[in-house]
Amino acid sequence: QKEVEQDPGPLSVPEGAIVSLNCTYSNSAFQYFMWYRQYSRKGPELLMYTYSSGNKEDGRFTAQVDKSSKYISLFIRDSQPSDSATYLCAMSSTGGFKTIFGAGTRLFVKA
Amino acid sequence: ETGVTQSPTHLIKTRGQQVTLRCSSQSGHNTVSWYQQALGQGPQFIFQYYREEENGRGNFPPRFSGLQFPNYSSELNVNALELDDSALYLCASSFTDSPTDTQYFGPGTRLTVL
Repeated sequence: QKEVEQDPGPLSVPEGAIVSLNCTYSNSAFQYFMWYRQYSRKGPELLMYTYSSGNKEDGRFTAQVDKSSKYISLFIRDSQPSDSATYLCAMSSTGGFKTIFGAGTRLFVKA
Repeated sequence: ETGVTQSPTHLIKTRGQQVTLRCSSQSGHNTVSWYQQALGQGPQFIFQYYREEENGRGNFPPRFSGLQFPNYSSELNVNALELDDSALYLCASSFTDSPTDTQYFGPGTRLTVL
């Protein structure tokens, strides 16, 4: 079993839709949760991060962490064609040194 | 742009050869991490260097090695290339070696092993 599971998609939605992206994990030591966006032929860029459980909002993006269920989500409101990319969840623990990534979900937002 | 650059952009090698990939971190970033991203997968941690010393390694064999230099540049060396080494290789730099510190990724080097 992988430490981090993420549905690779692809996920196709119309412009303006609310997008929900999710990951599950098995390591209860993870405390730092991140979402990266990766455009084709580019490196990942950090979108949002949260520490422990709770919600965090930044513009059209909301990140949620439920540590009791080992489940994290990223919501994108009013999705735009420019949001079309691969979204990677990532996690780390404060006692460790490495970041564990999910496989990434490919998102297509159609105009 | 993150300020992290990698060279070359693309590389084609044959099985058994050796390859060196290069990364230039953001100025002031003392930590560089290297990742392997196979097609359709997320990045997998190879190793991390902090102030020119390796301080963490993922599940990669010893033929994957690295160096970090005082001028914020670093190298990933892979010996005895195998077909499965074909992937996008990413470097990421950060100020400290804490896993909670923001990592800034370069655009990657795409390696093809024939």
